[in-house]
Amino acid sequence: LAKTTQPISMDSYEGQEVNITCSHNNIATNDYITWYQQFPSQGPRFIIQGYKTKVTNEVASLFIPADRKSSTLSLPRVSLSDTAVYYCLVGDPFSGGYNKLIFGAGTRLAVHP
Amino acid sequence: EPEVTQTPSHQVTQMGQEVILRCVPISNHLYFYWYRQILGQKVEFLVSFYNNEISEKSEIFDDQFSVERPDGSNFTLKIRSTKLEDSAMYFCASSEARDRGGDTQYFGPGTRLTVL
Repeated sequence: LAKTTQPISMDSYEGQEVNITCSHNNIATNDYITWYQQFPSQGPRFIIQGYKTKVTNEVASLFIPADRKSSTLSLPRVSLSDTAVYYCLVGDPFSGGYNKLIFGAGTRLAVHP
Repeated sequence: EPEVTQTPSHQVTQMGQEVILRCVPISNHLYFYWYRQILGQKVEFLVSFYNNEISEKSEIFDDQFSVERPDGSNFTLKIRSTKLEDSAMYFCASSEARDRGGDTQYFGPGTRLTVL
């Protein structure tokens, strides 16, 4: 499993765009990049998944450069409710159908008024 | 939107007692998982379950732990003789068959287990 590195914490203010970058230098050809969000005392929640270039959904965008050694989760116009821990995970979602997710420490995002 | 549910939300037990944590996965999902998160620490994988058998388990998932799908809707985690260090949030997750778009796992709200 590819190891990921992301900042331990970030601070932002309401209305700003937040970009969280994750490094995954050893990503394998079949690996996808997935981001989860976790609020205190809640289960992780899937945000977005991508393989290359850019993926956008109603919550976030995911930018993946051509070499795929890093990725950036972009949260547009954050609000206080976006304060959470964000996890970057790398793995092959099609490899076995029952992949264990390996969570790191994540990035603790604090959004201030 | 379908969701994973877990009961109870909080379980307090005495050391050495047996506990059963219950989960109802999303109805059309075929893969089931348990994770745990000790306060202030990472989310850790415990076990995955498919087709009525364990697919993979971690080192944490020793003989004190067991999982079961007793009927078509419930998925349970049993800890036979709880230890103080079992105190944690336990999350159940489920996912669809992988040939329908990959293995996005959907997590329940968790059960907070407190062992005294």
